[in-house]
Amino acid sequence: GQQLNQSPQSMFIQEGEDVSMNCTSSSIFNTWLWYKQDPGEGPVLLIALYKAGELTSNGRLTAQFGITRKDSFLNISASIPSDVGIYFCAGTMTTDSWGKLQFGAGTQVVVTP
Amino acid sequence: GAGVSQSPRYKVAKRGQDVALRCDPISGHVSLFWYQQALGQGPEFLTYFQNEAQLDKSGLPSDRFFAERPEGSVSTLKIQRTQQEDSAVYLCASRLIGTRISTDTQYFGPGTRLTVL
Repeated sequence: GQQLNQSPQSMFIQEGEDVSMNCTSSSIFNTWLWYKQDPGEGPVLLIALYKAGELTSNGRLTAQFGITRKDSFLNISASIPSDVGIYFCAGTMTTDSWGKLQFGAGTQVVVTP
Repeated sequence: GAGVSQSPRYKVAKRGQDVALRCDPISGHVSLFWYQQALGQGPEFLTYFQNEAQLDKSGLPSDRFFAERPEGSVSTLKIQRTQQEDSAVYLCASRLIGTRISTDTQYFGPGTRLTVL
């Protein structure tokens, strides 16, 4: 089962609006990652976070690694139609080796004109 | 090609058949992961290779699942006597580095969608 609790499950927003989603866990994570998956494709890395408290931006995307190391959020500003897709949080736990990833269940984003 | 490729992209199998799914990682990448993604869920770890060595197979759901990477490049995930619950997308990911605590980026292939009837 999924170790990470990701919310919301889906979002229906209008073009130009901001989007916010988050991920929590009962376990401590070494890294937090945010991926986007389009239909029929594999996940593509958007942002990687390596330190507690770290705030990182990638264009219109901003993500933060929670201070407790048990949560992270992703914001998308001024959404555009190509932001449609499923966004996954992922991370590596302190108890895991080899960097295998734990994933949330995903947030489906639908952008309407 | 520059990315991770997987074949076939789609596979339909009758219950009880054996299937083999192939992954071609990015050239030179030491690490290779297999993940299983059920419909509406995030990927779940199956197994990990460092070169030809399978160092972690803790995620394989049963002994019907078997993976190999004999020459440290191409990998094959084999499922014997497929069951309906095996229906999922099987994703392969490769990573340049192979250390125990590596946080280097994993690059995913497009996946193989397996449907077991």
